[in-house]
Amino acid sequence: DAGVIQSPRHEVTEMGQEVTLRCKPISGHNSLFWYRQTMMRGLELLIYFNNNVPIDDSGMPEDRFSAKMPNASFSTLKIQPSEPRDSAVYFCASSLGTLRERLETQYFGPGTRLLVL
Amino acid sequence: GENVEQHPSTLSVQEGDSAVIKCTYSDSASNYFPWYKQELGKRPQLIIDIRSNVGEKKDQRIAVTLNKTAKHFSLHITETQPEDSAVYFCAASYNQGGKLIFGQGTELSVKP
Repeated sequence: DAGVIQSPRHEVTEMGQEVTLRCKPISGHNSLFWYRQTMMRGLELLIYFNNNVPIDDSGMPEDRFSAKMPNASFSTLKIQPSEPRDSAVYFCASSLGTLRERLETQYFGPGTRLLVL
Repeated sequence: GENVEQHPSTLSVQEGDSAVIKCTYSDSASNYFPWYKQELGKRPQLIIDIRSNVGEKKDQRIAVTLNKTAKHFSLHITETQPEDSAVYFCAASYNQGGKLIFGQGTELSVKP
């Protein structure tokens, strides 16, 4: 079985440019999570979806960040305009569900290493 | 608010020794506690998890203990090997939102 797929794996861009990160969750999983990892702040949850609906976006840093999940097999995280402080590794993860009573194992994708110059 | 504290931030042991990493959480409603291992340049991968209805779980050289009263849980690795060297993250569920809150990570180094 294919795991969580992310693209691109590496992205180098200049400040002010738009960046779009893509994620394909594991087939059959109905919850998808976007994380950002930096040395200073560790692993932070940005937003997560359940059945394609955004449930909690309290971790989204500011209006420059947006995320969508148009269908069960695809999600995007967009940064517009990008800034040097956005440089980080962005992980997508998926799980079978996030029922309040039974949180399921999250499986991480390989990540996208973003560098904003 | 939701918070998970993890200690120590770095841990160095000799091959064959045991390693213990500890975490505390703030949400008394948390009921799911996974541990992830992240090797350099790789993705976090689940190594073991525990739910609030048990106090201990073991899988070969790895064990996790949970004390719900004190709101802390620990990872124990016995007979450490150089390939155990990695960053380990604990996490706790935050039930209000059905999400995980991660600790800051522990960099474990196992010296041969």
